[in-house]
Amino acid sequence: SQQGEEDPQALSIQEGENATMNCSYKTSINNLQWYRQNSGRGLVHLILIRSNEREKHSGRLRVTLDTSKKSSSLLITASRAADTASYFCATDHRGGGNKLTFGTGTQLKVEL
Amino acid sequence: SQTIHQWPATLVQPVGSPLSLECTVEGTSNPNLYWYRQAAGRGLQLLFYSVGIGQISSEVPQNLSASRPQDRQFILSSKKLLLSDSGFYLCAWRTQGVGEKLFFGSGTQLSVL
Repeated sequence: SQQGEEDPQALSIQEGENATMNCSYKTSINNLQWYRQNSGRGLVHLILIRSNEREKHSGRLRVTLDTSKKSSSLLITASRAADTASYFCATDHRGGGNKLTFGTGTQLKVEL
Repeated sequence: SQTIHQWPATLVQPVGSPLSLECTVEGTSNPNLYWYRQAAGRGLQLLFYSVGIGQISSEVPQNLSASRPQDRQFILSSKKLLLSDSGFYLCAWRTQGVGEKLFFGSGTQLSVL
C-alpha cells in the first residue's frame, strides 16, 4: 500500500501566490523526500528532510516535518508558471529495506 | 557525472506479446536500482528493486519480471503482456546507504492494445 498520501490532489493558484501541499504517512520513517514531475517525464528530487529535523529550506521551497502527526508539508513561495507540475512525497521508512515509497501526488497549476 | 538511460520512450504492444525494457546507469558503481509503474494521473507503484547483480526483490505479484545481469543494467520483462500492464514505467537508481535520493530515467510510456 502507498505509504504517503498527499493533499490536495489538485491545486490551482495565481502566479505570485504561495502553494502548500501536505503529505501524511503511516509508519516511522528515516527521512521524507519531495519530488517534482513534469507531465510525461521522470521525477526530479527537490528536497530531503530527516526524521530528526523539523524544517528545511531550499530556495523558494520550505518543508516541514511533524513526526508525531506523521505528516509533512511542502511550501512553494512566490510561485511561477514554471512551477506547474505534479509533486510527490516519498518515504524512506524504518525497516523498509532499500525501498522508497511514493504518495499519490498533488497536481499544481500556476496560472499567469 | 552520473546518467541514467531508459528506452524506448514509447511503446505500443499487442496483448500477449513479450516485453523488454532496459535501463542503464553510467558514472556510478553498485547502485540500488528500481522499477516503478505509474498509472495515468496516479502515484508511483514500486515493482522491483535490486541491491546487486542477480538480486531482485519483487513488490507486487504480477505479470512482470526483472533481471540485473550487470551492475548497472536493469531489465523489466514480460512473456505475455496484459491490457493492465499499460502505464508509464520509470527506472531509477540511488547510491547504497540510508537517506539517499533517487535519480529517475525519462520513462517509457507503454500502451498494450
